[in-house]
Amino acid sequence: GAVVSQHPSWVICKSGTSVKIECRSLDFQATTMFWYRQFPKQSLMLMATSNEGSKATYEQGVEKDKFLINHASLTLSTLTVTSAHPEDSSFYICSATGTANTEAFFGQGTRLTVV
Amino acid sequence: RKEVEQDPGPFNVPEGATVAFNCTYSNSASQSFFWYRQDCRKEPKLLMSVYSSGNEDGRFTAQLNRASQYISLLIRDSKLSDSATYLCVVRASGSARQLTFGSGTQLTVLP
Repeated sequence: GAVVSQHPSWVICKSGTSVKIECRSLDFQATTMFWYRQFPKQSLMLMATSNEGSKATYEQGVEKDKFLINHASLTLSTLTVTSAHPEDSSFYICSATGTANTEAFFGQGTRLTVV
Repeated sequence: RKEVEQDPGPFNVPEGATVAFNCTYSNSASQSFFWYRQDCRKEPKLLMSVYSSGNEDGRFTAQLNRASQYISLLIRDSKLSDSATYLCVVRASGSARQLTFGSGTQLTVLP
């Protein structure tokens, strides 16, 4: 199957700082990328959908000024958690689909801990 | 009502048992259906797509009933390595085609 690489796999940061997470599709062109957040023992919750070259569409309750998403190319999307707080600590996962794909391919996830 | 609802679980079954998971979805225009498996602290991985005619992959059988908006996954002869959370996933039709996940059903296969 297609490969999606997410980096970093884990990060610890101080409260108030910003963290950038990268999601790359390595062997296909990802026209659409999705960003999810998963708290312990809960399901994945969609945060936003981004199409290459367009502004991301955020789900209700997700602050677009806090979670900045950039999808400038067909192989890279980034999520920046700005002014992170301890309650932002979570598992963030990206997934990507291309025009030829019916399934989504997931990155390995990033475990963010804000202290 | 949630868009995708699954059996709450957890399911604790002995090795060799047969276990079935159910899932219902609310959007009748949903286009594609999947079962994903997620191990603890890992990303979800596609287990199998679900087709209208039903499909089987080894010990796993998935079925879709569009009329009842119902999806199922059957695992036969369960192994210890089957222990994971199983996610029912539905893909919407239209330009967004985003995935909607069920809350997952946790399975533990006991020796």
